[in-house]
Amino acid sequence: EAQVTQNPRYLITVTGKKLTVTCSQNMNHEYMSWYRQDPGLGLRQIYYSMNVEVTDKGDVPEGYKVSRKEKRNFPLILESPSPNQTSLYFCASSLSQAGGGTEAFFGQGTRLTVV
Amino acid sequence: AQKITQTQPGMFVQEKEAVTLDCTYDTSDQSYGLFWYKQPSSGEMIFLIYQGSYDEQNATEGRYSLNFQKARKSANLVISASQLGDSAMYFCAMRGGTSGTYKYIFGTGTRLKVLA
Repeated sequence: EAQVTQNPRYLITVTGKKLTVTCSQNMNHEYMSWYRQDPGLGLRQIYYSMNVEVTDKGDVPEGYKVSRKEKRNFPLILESPSPNQTSLYFCASSLSQAGGGTEAFFGQGTRLTVV
Repeated sequence: AQKITQTQPGMFVQEKEAVTLDCTYDTSDQSYGLFWYKQPSSGEMIFLIYQGSYDEQNATEGRYSLNFQKARKSANLVISASQLGDSAMYFCAMRGGTSGTYKYIFGTGTRLKVLA
């Protein structure tokens, strides 16, 4: 089954404690990205990757890191989480091109609370 | 700059009636794609329908159709014969190609409530 797997689904952590949210896809997609969803703001892109070892900042990259060492995996790292990073996070993958058939496949989401 | 605007934060529709969710976009790309996603209360993001900028016909997928008016830069989602299960948040998104990043831009969403 084609899917994007994110873990964990729920996470409560304390300010400053480093954490990693994993993301893996089994569709051989080149393009992967991370979004955060906040009420009234929709989905905002944090980072994206167009292929292995190629990553770039999205619209809200501050406080986040990513890496793309393998095509299937794209972890999101919060080195020192702060309460303003409390949000719903989505990982997504897709083909790296425009046109039909390039819809994003989303993970199930990670609800992060930083206290 | 690329932008997606959804001006309806929330909408109600009676079961079995049709409803239109508005979406306007702004882009300097000549080639782009427009997408609609559904997010039920369980939180997952479900792809509904796609329209390419060069497609001359409006896209349709079952009860979903996309009313694409290129000159007006609008890509409204029409849901026919609404069902209770259509109650969800709906996001319009755009993906451009000429900038080379194939970045998705999402709107702020419209929360639809279907009334029995």
